[in-house]
Amino acid sequence: EAGVAQSPRYKIIEKRQSVAFWCNPISGHATLYWYQQILGQGPKLLIQFQNNGVVDDSQLPKDRFSAERLKGVDSTLKIQPAKLEDSAVYLCASSTDWGPRRNTIYFGEGSWLTVV
Amino acid sequence: AQSVAQPEDQVNVAEGNPLTVKCTYSVSGNPYLFWYVQYPNRGLQFLLKYITGDNLVKGSYGFEAEFNKSQTSFHLKKPSALVSDSALYFCAVLGTYKYIFGTGTRLKVLA
Repeated sequence: EAGVAQSPRYKIIEKRQSVAFWCNPISGHATLYWYQQILGQGPKLLIQFQNNGVVDDSQLPKDRFSAERLKGVDSTLKIQPAKLEDSAVYLCASSTDWGPRRNTIYFGEGSWLTVV
Repeated sequence: AQSVAQPEDQVNVAEGNPLTVKCTYSVSGNPYLFWYVQYPNRGLQFLLKYITGDNLVKGSYGFEAEFNKSQTSFHLKKPSALVSDSALYFCAVLGTYKYIFGTGTRLKVLA
């Protein structure tokens, strides 16, 4: 079974530039998550989709971050304009549904962003 | 508020010795608990989870975790550590409907 695919793996941009990350979840997984992991910290949920609807985006900085999952499959996370503090790993994850009895979260390899 | 704490930033253990990585939690209702491992420049890999049932949960790569309700703990264990177990380990709890991760514990297994 193919895992969660993410691209690009690494990106370096200057502050105030924009960047987009793409994620393709495991086939058949209805729930998709974007996490931000800053060095030395645990992952922090940015946004959670159930199919193409947003379940939780309470920690997404909406003035600069946006995410979409138009057809309920792959997803894009965009940052515009980027700030230095956005330097982090952006982890995409998916699960068959949300709730531990029905699923486990599976993570992609991450997209490493450095803002200079 | 639901939370999880990993009190140790780093754990060092000699190869072949047993290892324990600690995790405590705070959650209302029944706890759903998870352990993930992260190798350098990689994403998080699922190790094991506790939903209900036996307090000792067995997972991947020979790891197990013991759920202790009275101590609100879910410590990760392995009887005999390998150098290849060196990585960053995260405990997580399922909150209302989202996963809350600890800050991670770096495990270093010394040859």
